[in-house]
Amino acid sequence: AQKITQTQPGMFVQEKEAVTLDCTYDTSDQSYGLFWYKQPSSGEMIFLIYQGSYDEQNATEGRYSLNFQKARKSANLVISASQLGDSAMYFCAMRAPDDKIIFGKGTRLHILP
Amino acid sequence: GAVVSQHPSWVICKSGTSVKIECRSLDFQATTMFWYRQFPKQSLMLMATSNEGSKATYEQGVEKDKFLINHASLTLSTLTVTSAHPEDSSFYICSARRTGVLQTQYFGPGTRLLVL
Repeated sequence: AQKITQTQPGMFVQEKEAVTLDCTYDTSDQSYGLFWYKQPSSGEMIFLIYQGSYDEQNATEGRYSLNFQKARKSANLVISASQLGDSAMYFCAMRAPDDKIIFGKGTRLHILP
Repeated sequence: GAVVSQHPSWVICKSGTSVKIECRSLDFQATTMFWYRQFPKQSLMLMATSNEGSKATYEQGVEKDKFLINHASLTLSTLTVTSAHPEDSSFYICSARRTGVLQTQYFGPGTRLLVL
């Protein structure tokens, strides 16, 4: 069975600093996808970044990058130059071959001015 | 980008009534949609997978007779919470997978249900 583990329930980071949100996963499948979503207080799920299990390079999307270490089964999200608007809940998620997406418990990120 | 809408965004109902939530993909076709439930300060839990033209697939522990799902067209899936009770109060979110595109699912804005 697939499992996503986010060990940081909350983080406080000074504005303009970089922040790394941890995510480890467990799966026996060879083909899978890893996502990061941002959920502000409004509740909407905002897609940030995607990494396929066969992608050799780490995914990047603007200030977001995914540090994919396949052997260690980790997919940490790195946000560079954090902004006040980055304060939100962040979920790591995995797509299994049956197309279902399972989510980790999330990390609440607080950016301090 | 692809847009998924949900209606209503908020609903308050009396215990025992049924509530229907709609999920629409606005600018793409979605053969598969997913319904999630999120309790306060918790993660999203997959309830069921909705497939156009066929029966939904429910996750273990989700009552299919209580949470009726209908995916009647390539752009619309509905979730009906039948005989709602206070413990059904939650945030319900749908997502839609664009037909032919595996890696991205687009989420709706969610529906907050409060059962009194």
